[in-house]
Amino acid sequence: DAGVIQSPRHEVTEMGQEVTLRCKPISGHDYLFWYRQTMMRGLELLIYFNNNVPIDDSGMPEDRFSAKMPNASFSTLKIQPSEPRDSAVYFCASSFFTYEQYFGPGTRLTVT
Amino acid sequence: GQQLNQSPQSMFIQEGEDVSMNCTSSSIFNTWLWYKQDPGEGPVLLIALYKAGELTSNGRLTAQFGITRKDSFLNISASIPSDVGIYFCAGQTPTGANNLFFGTGTRLTVIP
Repeated sequence: DAGVIQSPRHEVTEMGQEVTLRCKPISGHDYLFWYRQTMMRGLELLIYFNNNVPIDDSGMPEDRFSAKMPNASFSTLKIQPSEPRDSAVYFCASSFFTYEQYFGPGTRLTVT
Repeated sequence: GQQLNQSPQSMFIQEGEDVSMNCTSSSIFNTWLWYKQDPGEGPVLLIALYKAGELTSNGRLTAQFGITRKDSFLNISASIPSDVGIYFCAGQTPTGANNLFFGTGTRLTVIP
């Protein structure tokens, strides 16, 4: 079975540009999570969805970040405008009913 | 958010040795999970624990859910070079929310 799919795997952009990260969860999973990982702060939960509805977005750092889940098989995390401090690895994870989350390979974002 | 303390932060061991690491919290958790992350990849779920006192194995890995519900342990027996990576604990609180809190990780190096 295909795991969680994320694209792109790497993104390099200039400060001020809009960045869109994409995620396809495992088919049948009803929870989707977006995380950010940095050396300084480790893994941080940004937002999670249940049945396409955002449940907790308290981890979203500021209004520049937004996430959507238009259907059960697709989610986006958008940063507009991007800043150098947004540079990190962004992970998407999904789960079905339980707390066992399965992670994608991540998107490494570099903002110059 | 919840603080999960992992120890040790890093370990250097000889191939064939056994490894022990732990994770502690100031609050109780309903679920403990252990993940392994290889460089450039997302965390991979190793073991999930759902009951206090539960002991679960996955090959050479054994994890335990502490009786106090505030800690968990992971043991790796007869380490091999491919065990190298960062090991994360994660816990789910009794609030009913589906989000996980992650520890800071234990970086394992296995010397052939």
